Amino acid sequence: QLQLQESGPGLVKPSETLSLTCTVSGGSISTNIHYWGWIRQPPGGGLEWIGNLYYTGSTYYNPSLKTRVTLSVDRSKNQISLRLSSVSAADTAVYYCTRLRRPGYNPIDTWGQGTLVTVSS
Amino acid sequence: QLVLTQSPSASASLGASVKLSCTLSNGHSTYGIAWHQQHPKKGPRFLMIVNSDGSHSKVDGIPDRFSGSSSGAERHLTISSLQVEDEAEYFCQSWGTGIMVFGGGTKLTVL
Repeated sequence: QLQLQESGPGLVKPSETLSLTCTVSGGSISTNIHYWGWIRQPPGGGLEWIGNLYYTGSTYYNPSLKTRVTLSVDRSKNQISLRLSSVSAADTAVYYCTRLRRPGYNPIDTWGQGTLVTVSS
Repeated sequence: QLVLTQSPSASASLGASVKLSCTLSNGHSTYGIAWHQQHPKKGPRFLMIVNSDGSHSKVDGIPDRFSGSSSGAERHLTISSLQVEDEAEYFCQSWGTGIMVFGGGTKLTVL
C-alpha cells in the first residue's frame, strides 16, 4: 500500500527557507501515470495547492507562490522535496504530500498524514 | 478561470441521506472532480472521482453508502444511511489550465 511520509523542521524563522521532504513507500515515484505534489492548510483554513511535479522533474506551481517555491525529485531515494523561501507567519500551515493521477483532471488519490510548520521567531 | 463552489455547511439526521454539491464555474461544465473527506484534526482522504457524465469511481474501502452523480455543472456526493463517523468536512478538487483548484469545503453535521 502506497504511503507518503512528510518530514522536516516544525519551526522556521521568518524570512528563512522552509524545507520539507516526502518519502514515498510501497510504490515507485518513477511512474508515468502520476504527479507528486504539495498542498497546505493553514490552521482553521481551507486547502491551498502549492505545486506538482513529474518524476522527470517538470513542474507546475501555484502562480501566487511561484516566485518562492521549488519542487524537486530524488528518484534514487524515492523522495520529493519542497523549498519555500522568504517565509512569513502567513506560511504557517499543515503541509501535505500528495500523489495525483494523470492525465486529465489530476485528482489527488493519496495524501500524506501532513506535517505542521510554524513560522515564528 | 476554474472556480469550484460549495455550500459552507450541511446537516442531516443519523440514518438519513444527504447530497452535497460542488458547482463548476462557467465554461467548465465538462470537467470532472474529486471528492475528499477530512475529519477534524486529521488529514484529508480521497473518496472518489465524479465525471461529467455522472459516472464515478470510488477508492477501495469507501462504503457503498457513498455515491457520486452529476447534473450540468454540478457534481454531487450523496451519503445515505448517515453514520456518526460521516461528520466531517468534504472538499471537491479539480484541475484548471495548469493549476489545481479546491472548493471551499462543506462541513457536514450529523444530527
